[in-house]
Amino acid sequence: QVQLQESGPGLVKPSQTLSLTCTVSGDSISNGNYYWNWIRQPAGEGLEWIGRIYTDGSTKYNPSLKSRVTISLDTSTNQFSLKLNSVTAADTAVYYCASIYSSRNYWGQGTLLTVSS
Amino acid sequence: QAVVTQEPSLTVSPGGTVTLTCGSSTGAVTNGHFPYWFQQKPGQAPRTLIYDTSNKHSWTPARFSGSLLGGKAALTLSGAQPEDEAEYYCFLSYSDARVFGGGTKLTVL
Repeated sequence: QVQLQESGPGLVKPSQTLSLTCTVSGDSISNGNYYWNWIRQPAGEGLEWIGRIYTDGSTKYNPSLKSRVTISLDTSTNQFSLKLNSVTAADTAVYYCASIYSSRNYWGQGTLLTVSS
Repeated sequence: QAVVTQEPSLTVSPGGTVTLTCGSSTGAVTNGHFPYWFQQKPGQAPRTLIYDTSNKHSWTPARFSGSLLGGKAALTLSGAQPEDEAEYYCFLSYSDARVFGGGTKLTVL
């Protein structure tokens, strides 16, 4: 059973860069059967897709966030990461990592990221 | 960017049937959008009910089914249970991005 676990600082100051990591267990992140996604959800609001990376390193991003987002893979640690720069209060949300590809759907429990000075 | 639309809220009686829909601003939803349906309860991460239009996971209750209906993706709940009260999100794939619908708050009352 594949499991995902987000980790991050919890609090980031405005204008800084948000960095989150998703640790994958139960299978290799370089297995070609997964697309690794980042998704976020502000309190009381809906889900927003941030972007995804495939095992070959190819990425797709939400056009509204594309200029600020980088998603990367680290096969040596079986992790993938999210960087979002120039954050504002509007980036405060629960951030989820997830595999969304056909039947291979697994979600982390989410991590709250607050942007505040 | 495409906009994916869902009913903001729906109510169903216990034991009743309800259909949630998922439309696309770009036109008809097709199997090529690989529609997903996620269920989210308060304080929990979403979980997948339906993938690729109509496929169920092992954990998906049999009372849920997915389909295409009138140019939209649809999630039908037949025989609603109190534990089905939740937020439901659809998720569509486009050539350049993936997009969630705004969610449907389903009340079982």
